[in-house]
Amino acid sequence: DTGVSQDPRHKITKRGQNVTFRCDPISEHNRLYWYRQTLGQGPEFLTYFQNEAQLEKSRLLSDRFSAERPKGSFSTLEIQRTEQGDSAMYLCASRPIRSGNTIYFGEGSWLTVV
Amino acid sequence: KQEVTQIPAALSVPEGENLVLNCSFTDSAIYNLQWFRQDPGKGLTSLLLIQSSQREQTSGRLNASLDKSSGRSTLYIAASQPGDSATYLCAVNPGAASGGSYIPTFGRGTSLIVHP
Repeated sequence: DTGVSQDPRHKITKRGQNVTFRCDPISEHNRLYWYRQTLGQGPEFLTYFQNEAQLEKSRLLSDRFSAERPKGSFSTLEIQRTEQGDSAMYLCASRPIRSGNTIYFGEGSWLTVV
Repeated sequence: KQEVTQIPAALSVPEGENLVLNCSFTDSAIYNLQWFRQDPGKGLTSLLLIQSSQREQTSGRLNASLDKSSGRSTLYIAASQPGDSATYLCAVNPGAASGGSYIPTFGRGTSLIVHP
């Protein structure tokens, strides 16, 4: 069990550029979550996948954000036309099929938009 | 909509003290509650998971209690050490009314500093 892996760990981009983050969940975890966290705040829910199906999206996920989970394995979160307000840590988490089990988080991907 | 509040927001104590961190939630129809630790710039590490049917869970110097009916959980840290310095977050997992998504809702966390 290698844990939830996120890449890149840090990304600095200019305003208006597109960025993509990747998450590799723990194998056989069918539930995958994306959260966003800013300094001094708790993680805020963005979107949720069960296998390859994106079942829930937060209103925080504007039309500039898109997430995919092809084949129900890894997931990508893309932000188009980045804005300074997008600067945050993007956290991915996964959970096995038994809902009562622990949710496991990756180390996060830090985004700084300059 | 579930709201999770953590008190205090920040805490600074000398080494050796016993601590109580509080978490309250507005909707008592929860599946379980989880406590996490987060070091600066890092992801979240799970500390304890309490199912809705349980009253408490213990791991080493940590003890978490749950009073579902009153919407409260506490994390007790015994004999605190400088290595315990971190932010502690609680997350509430919704029950069946969530439609099966079980999306955790987080509090803002308690930032703990234990000084030697």
